[in-house]
Amino acid sequence: DTGVSQDPRHKITKRGQNVTFRCDPISEHNRLYWYRQTLGQGPEFLTYFQNEAQLEKSRLLSDRFSAERPKGSFSTLEIQRTEQGDSAMYLCASSPQAGMNTEAFFGQGTRLTVV
Amino acid sequence: AQSVTQLGSHVSVSEGALVLLRCNYSSSVPPYLFWYVQYPNQGLQLLLKYTTGATLVKGINGFEAEFKKSETSFHLTKPSAHMSDAAEYFCAVSVYGSARQLTFGSGTQLTVLP
Repeated sequence: DTGVSQDPRHKITKRGQNVTFRCDPISEHNRLYWYRQTLGQGPEFLTYFQNEAQLEKSRLLSDRFSAERPKGSFSTLEIQRTEQGDSAMYLCASSPQAGMNTEAFFGQGTRLTVV
Repeated sequence: AQSVTQLGSHVSVSEGALVLLRCNYSSSVPPYLFWYVQYPNQGLQLLLKYTTGATLVKGINGFEAEFKKSETSFHLTKPSAHMSDAAEYFCAVSVYGSARQLTFGSGTQLTVLP
């Protein structure tokens, strides 16, 4: 499978618990993005990595959120002390670096439900 | 800062009819514009994008869009709807050519009636 892979696809957690999501980008892509999509809305940008460096963070990414991309390969997004407002679809995308006119490929997302 | 407004959260067309999904944008710098499609429980798939050059952009599955700077619009069209076109469509703007800091509209759910 050469697409962007996200795990798990669904996660139900109790409020206050920590959760971690994983994204495996397309292997030759060195750019990786996280977006959040709430019901009835378009995705919102969270953060962007180039290789292992986290270059941009949205103000939506509160202190409870942390993202990593060790060794510039897979990435993890952790949410600490989850709140009901964190319930959303978390989308990961990747793209190659070469040039600006490059397409980003999105994964199928992780749907988080906080109860 | 940039923003996107998609007019009509739900659009219904008959199979074989023209599809027109509206998108207006706001950007302080020349924008890059995108249309994505999302099927239920799936990620986003790029339909087409405008970066520079020709203002009429052709994409996959017979869709096209025209960048009109004077109207700040980037409407998506398809001459003849197919049942498989039923999905949610998102217009997005960026000051970059890639997926960096895409700003999405709230989406338009397209229903195709038999």
